[in-house]
Amino acid sequence: KQEVTQIPAALSVPEGENLVLNCSFTDSAIYNLQWFRQDPGKGLTSLLLIQSSQREQTSGRLNASLDKSSGRSTLYIAASQPGDSATYLCAVRGVLAAGNNRKLIWGLGTSLAVNP
Amino acid sequence: DTGVSQDPRHKITKRGQNVTFRCDPISEHNRLYWYRQTLGQGPEFLTYFQNEAQLEKSRLLSDRFSAERPKGSFSTLEIQRTEQGDSAMYLCASSLLTGDNEKLFFGSGTQLSVL
Repeated sequence: KQEVTQIPAALSVPEGENLVLNCSFTDSAIYNLQWFRQDPGKGLTSLLLIQSSQREQTSGRLNASLDKSSGRSTLYIAASQPGDSATYLCAVRGVLAAGNNRKLIWGLGTSLAVNP
Repeated sequence: DTGVSQDPRHKITKRGQNVTFRCDPISEHNRLYWYRQTLGQGPEFLTYFQNEAQLEKSRLLSDRFSAERPKGSFSTLEIQRTEQGDSAMYLCASSLLTGDNEKLFFGSGTQLSVL
């Protein structure tokens, strides 16, 4: 059974710092992995999606890497800003289930606070 | 395109009442998902549609919950005889399935409070 873990659960950093958020999964047979951002009381915003055949994806100050063999993904945020404060969730699309739905398995997220 | 929209943003209701939420997906997307999320947890899968067909419903979902997507465009999620345990954020997501990979786009959610 696929399980997704995110460490740390919470992180507080000063503005300008580069930081790494971690996501680990137990079953390496994944189809893709997606990183999301969630602001308090709001929906989720997709940040980056990495296909199973890819090693990394970049968007602006964000870089996500994927190492399927070790069951790990990292989200790197460069030059953090107070506006980056949010909860970051990773979700792994795993095994084929009923109705041809490859289920998304979610981590619990890392709550990030970037202090000015 | 304006993305996935959900209505209402907030709903407060009394226990025992029925509520209905609406989701308008991104126009060309063929898949639509409903999730539920409580504080500090990841989203919990409820059900999903491919076009107008409801292909899967979570076993955790009681018979009080029903969802429709009559024309393969917008979807509604109805909860009958609401209970306090139904209080949560209800999230809708849509995607365009191409091959084995799809990217989900979420709406802002409907926050339900059952008093």
